[in-house]
Amino acid sequence: EAQVTQNPRYLITVTGKKLTVTCSQNMNHEYMSWYRQDPGLGLRQIYYSMNVEVTDKGDVPEGYKVSRKEKRNFPLILESPSPNQTSLYFCASSPRTSTDTQYFGPGTRLTVL
Amino acid sequence: AQSVSQHNHHVILSEAASLELGCNYSYGGTVNLFWYVQYPGQHLQLLLKYFSGDPLVKGIKGFEAEFIKSKFSFNLRKPSVQWSDTAEYFCAVKANTNAGKSTFGDGTTLTVKP
Repeated sequence: EAQVTQNPRYLITVTGKKLTVTCSQNMNHEYMSWYRQDPGLGLRQIYYSMNVEVTDKGDVPEGYKVSRKEKRNFPLILESPSPNQTSLYFCASSPRTSTDTQYFGPGTRLTVL
Repeated sequence: AQSVSQHNHHVILSEAASLELGCNYSYGGTVNLFWYVQYPGQHLQLLLKYFSGDPLVKGIKGFEAEFIKSKFSFNLRKPSVQWSDTAEYFCAVKANTNAGKSTFGDGTTLTVKP
């Protein structure tokens, strides 16, 4: 089944404790992206990747890192999480171009205490 | 920079009522426009999209949207809503010149009363 998977789905952590949220897609898509969803703010793009080893900042990249060493994986790294990063995070992928539909993962609900 | 504005944050309708959700975007060049829907407990999924051709596009579940270039708008419509349309709806834009950057609106929560 074609899908985008994220792990973990739920995470409660404390300020400053490094964490990684994994994202994997099995559709051979070149493009992958991370978003955070906050009430009243919709989805805001954190980082995106057009291909392996190619990443770029979205609208809210501060406090996050990403890497794209393999086509299928696009982990989101929070080196030193803070409470304002408590949010619902979505990973998405699409074939490549600007007309392509994005396919979303199920979301990761992160709470930083 | 591109931006998207959704006018209605929360809409409550009775079944069989007609729906129109507003979406306006800001960008000086050619854009591709999308409506995504998030049903309770489910992934975001595409409702419909516009990138060229007929400005009236039809999507899944009886939804349609019209691209009006002069008004920078891409409003979503459905002539008769059902209880199962209860969901959150997001308008999104991608510029042709930057396929990576994707901007979403704040979302509209639609509640349909049976």
